[in-house]
Amino acid sequence: KAGVTQTPRYLIKTRGQQVTLSCSPISGHRSVSWYQQTPGQGLQFLFEYFSETQRNKGNFPGRFSGRQFSNSRSEMNVSTLELGDSALYLCASSLHSITPGTDTQYFGPGTRLTVL
Amino acid sequence: GQQLNQSPQSMFIQEGEDVSMNCTSSSIFNTWLWYKQDPGEGPVLLIALYKAGELTSNGRLTAQFGITRKDSFLNISASIPSDVGIYFCAGPSDGNTGKLIFGQGTTLQVKP
Repeated sequence: KAGVTQTPRYLIKTRGQQVTLSCSPISGHRSVSWYQQTPGQGLQFLFEYFSETQRNKGNFPGRFSGRQFSNSRSEMNVSTLELGDSALYLCASSLHSITPGTDTQYFGPGTRLTVL
Repeated sequence: GQQLNQSPQSMFIQEGEDVSMNCTSSSIFNTWLWYKQDPGEGPVLLIALYKAGELTSNGRLTAQFGITRKDSFLNISASIPSDVGIYFCAGPSDGNTGKLIFGQGTTLQVKP
């Protein structure tokens, strides 16, 4: 079974631009969560989508948004990029994120975003 | 808010040695997860624990879900160079399995 895939793997943008990152979950997984990883803050939760609905949201500004499609694929968007948005953005999928034992999150390789 | 305190922050050991790291919290967790991350890659799940007191092995790795549900331990036996990486503990935030919180990570270096 193919794992979680993320595209693109690397991205360079300049301040003020916007960016869209894509995530394809493991086949059959319906929950997709996004995380930001930086050396200073570690791994921080952005948001989670399940059945095309945002179910949880972390403490990030409104510039960070996401969506999920009917095939469970998800995208996240960051508008008006700032230097501090440079990070590894990770996507994780799980079956349905409710029942213990079926809620384990599996991560993709991440998208490395550099903002200049 | 909830926090996971992971220790040690880093370890530099000789190949063949055993390694032990732990994760503690002031809150109760119903699930404990251990991940390993290599540079430039996403975290890879090593062991998942769902029951207090549970002891689970995955090859040379053994993890335990603490009885108090506020801690977990990961042991690596007979370390090898490919064990190098960052190890993270994680658990569902406020019981919400879609939202993980992570420890700060333990960086492991193995000297051949």
